[in-house]
Amino acid sequence: NAGVTQTPKFQVLKTGQSMTLQCAQDMNHNSMYWYRQDPGMGLRLIYYSASEGTTDKGEVPNGYNVSRLNKREFSLRLESAAPSQTSVYFCASSPTSGGAGGETQYFGPGTRLLVL
Amino acid sequence: KNEVEQSPQNLTAQEGEFITINCSYSVGISALHWLQQHPGGGIVSLFMLSSGKKKHGRLIATINIQEKHSSLHITASHPRDSAVYICAVIPHGGSNYKLTFGKGTLLTVNP
Repeated sequence: NAGVTQTPKFQVLKTGQSMTLQCAQDMNHNSMYWYRQDPGMGLRLIYYSASEGTTDKGEVPNGYNVSRLNKREFSLRLESAAPSQTSVYFCASSPTSGGAGGETQYFGPGTRLLVL
Repeated sequence: KNEVEQSPQNLTAQEGEFITINCSYSVGISALHWLQQHPGGGIVSLFMLSSGKKKHGRLIATINIQEKHSSLHITASHPRDSAVYICAVIPHGGSNYKLTFGKGTLLTVNP
């Protein structure tokens, strides 16, 4: 049981390049999340998915797209990377749909992204 | 102004000391979470509480809803407790999945 896995662990991009961050969970959870963590700031929600095929914008969605193709996987895509997207990205999951206020979130190990 | 304020920002302690980390929030909430972020970056959920007190091993979390305040206590601290501790809340009236996070408290426990 691996929990929440993320790939890659570290990535360097040039401005304008695109990439997809992958996330998968093997806990049969309904909800999945993408966060970014920047120095001096708290974690901020980028996108949320309550179930396969549904997504919802979080606090900082601009410049990102997401895809929840199945229950296990939730990917985050940067179409044209910018230096402001340099950050650590965390994927998380929780058991139910929309119940994060009252349930534990399980986090992946994070992806460090540097955009030059 | 951040809705969730943690204090102190940094805390250094000697092994064995009793640790208290504070979290204050400015809005009504439906739940509060405490999380631990290890030096390697991994994040683990420690507690979720909406009232009273919870205990797990040497960790104790309390919340006072009227005062909009929560504390995380660590008894008999150990160097392996060194981490960033993060408080997060679900504001009333917001979506149940949208946590608002504090900036974290960096705890260093020296042997």
